[in-house]
Amino acid sequence: AQSVTQPDIHITVSEGASLELRCNYSYGATPYLFWYVQSPGQGLQLLLKYFSGDTLVQGIKGFEAEFKRSQSSFNLRKPSVHWSDAAEYFCAVASGGNTPLVFGKGTRLSVIA
Amino acid sequence: KAGVTQTPRYLIKTRGQQVTLSCSPISGHRSVSWYQQTPGQGLQFLFEYFSETQRNKGNFPGRFSGRQFSNSRSEMNVSTLELGDSALYLCASRVENEQFFGPGTRLTVL
Repeated sequence: AQSVTQPDIHITVSEGASLELRCNYSYGATPYLFWYVQSPGQGLQLLLKYFSGDTLVQGIKGFEAEFKRSQSSFNLRKPSVHWSDAAEYFCAVASGGNTPLVFGKGTRLSVIA
Repeated sequence: KAGVTQTPRYLIKTRGQQVTLSCSPISGHRSVSWYQQTPGQGLQFLFEYFSETQRNKGNFPGRFSGRQFSNSRSEMNVSTLELGDSALYLCASRVENEQFFGPGTRLTVL
C-alpha cells in the first residue's frame, strides 16, 4: 500500500527566507506526486504535480518541487517566502491517473516578520 | 468556469441522526471523489463516482454511502452519526490526472 510521510508537523520561517518542505513516499513504482495547499477554512489548492519527465517541476505561487527516485522524496521549495504563504501543505501520491489520492499528514507553515 | 461547490458549508447534527452532503463538480467533469479530513486521521479517501457508478471505495463503514446523478452532481450520506464523524468533508472533481477540490462541508456531531 502506498503511504506518504511529511516529517515536519510545523515549520516557522521568516518572511523572505527560503523554504523546503519534506515529503517521502512509499510505493513500488513511480507514483503520481502532488503538493496541495490549504488555507484555514478552505479546500485544497493544487500547487504542482509530477507524473514523469523532468524531475524538477514548477508550480504556482513560485513553488517548485524535485522528484528524487533514489530517496523516494518529492520535496517542495520556495526561494523567498511571503506572509501569504502561511497555510497547511499536503503532499499526496496516487498509483495511477484514476486512483485515489493518499495524503501525508501535512506540514503547517507559519511565517514571521 | 465555476469551481467545485459544496453545500451546505456548515452543519450541526446530533448522534444517531443522518446527514446528506452535496457536491457539484466543475462543468464537464464526470468524476467526483469524497474525502474526510480530521485532525487525528488527516485526509482519507471515502469513495469516487464516475458516470453514476462507484469506481473506487475507501475503508469506511457502510454508514457512509454516496451516489452520483446524471448531471454529475454527487451526494454523500452518513447514517447513524457518531461523534467521530465530525470532520471537514471535501469533494473533488477530476479531469485526467488532476483533482480540483471544493471548500468542504464542516460537519459537527454533538
